[in-house]
Amino acid sequence: SSELTQAPAVSVALGQTVKITCQGDSLRSCYASWYQQKPGQAPVLVVYGENNRPSGIPARFSASSSGNTASLTITGTQAEDEADYYCNSRDFSANLWVFGGGTKLTVL
Amino acid sequence: QVQVVQSGAEVKKPGASVKISCKASGYPFSSHWIHWVRQAPGQGLEWMGVIKPTGDNRVLAQKFQGRVIMTTDMSASAAYMEMSGLRSDDTAVYYCARDTSQGGARPYWWFDPWGQGTLVTVSS
Repeated sequence: SSELTQAPAVSVALGQTVKITCQGDSLRSCYASWYQQKPGQAPVLVVYGENNRPSGIPARFSASSSGNTASLTITGTQAEDEADYYCNSRDFSANLWVFGGGTKLTVL
Repeated sequence: QVQVVQSGAEVKKPGASVKISCKASGYPFSSHWIHWVRQAPGQGLEWMGVIKPTGDNRVLAQKFQGRVIMTTDMSASAAYMEMSGLRSDDTAVYYCARDTSQGGARPYWWFDPWGQGTLVTVSS
C-alpha cells in the first residue's frame, strides 16, 4: 500500500539521542528521505538515501534502514531541532511518491 | 545558489482556478524533475505530482487527476501548477521542490531545494 506511518509525536531531553521511525512497504525497495519543518517555514532536507546529509546539515542527523522501517536519529539533540519531521519515499507499484504523516519532536 | 522561487499568495473564490509558478535558478533546469506538494493548515505534507522539465512526462496523484495541470516552460526555467474547481479544502500552502535521484539496487529520491511556498486561500 502507498502509506508511510510515523508516530505523531516524540519528546527528547536536551542533549540526548532520539530516533524517529517511518514504516511502509515501499521502504523495502528504496531508501527514504527526511525533512525538517519549523513553524511557518518550508521543509528542509536533512538526510537522504542510505545515510547522506546535504551540506550545512549537522552531523548529529543520521539515517538507517531495516526491512520496511526507515529511521532518523538525532544524536545530542539541540533545542533548535524542535520541529516536525517527515519521511518520504517512492512507491514503485503505484508510481507515486508518498510522505509519512509527520512526527512532532519536542525537546525538553 | 540553487533555488526555486514561487509566485505570491492567492485568494480565490470557490469554483475558480489558480496557477502557481516555480522558477528555478542556479542549475540546468533540464536536469531535474519538479515535484508539487501541498500542506493544509495544521496538516502534514501531501504529495501532488511530479513533472519532467521538458513537460512531456508527468505523474499526478489520483486525487488530483482531472483538476490539476502541471506544465513547464524550459525557456523560462519554470514549472507551473494549475488547479481548477477550487474548494475550501484546497486552502493550503503549495510547494514546489527539485527532484534528484540515485539509482542502484536500492534507489532513492530527494527533494531539495524547496520553494518558499504559495498560500492559496479559497473563500467566498
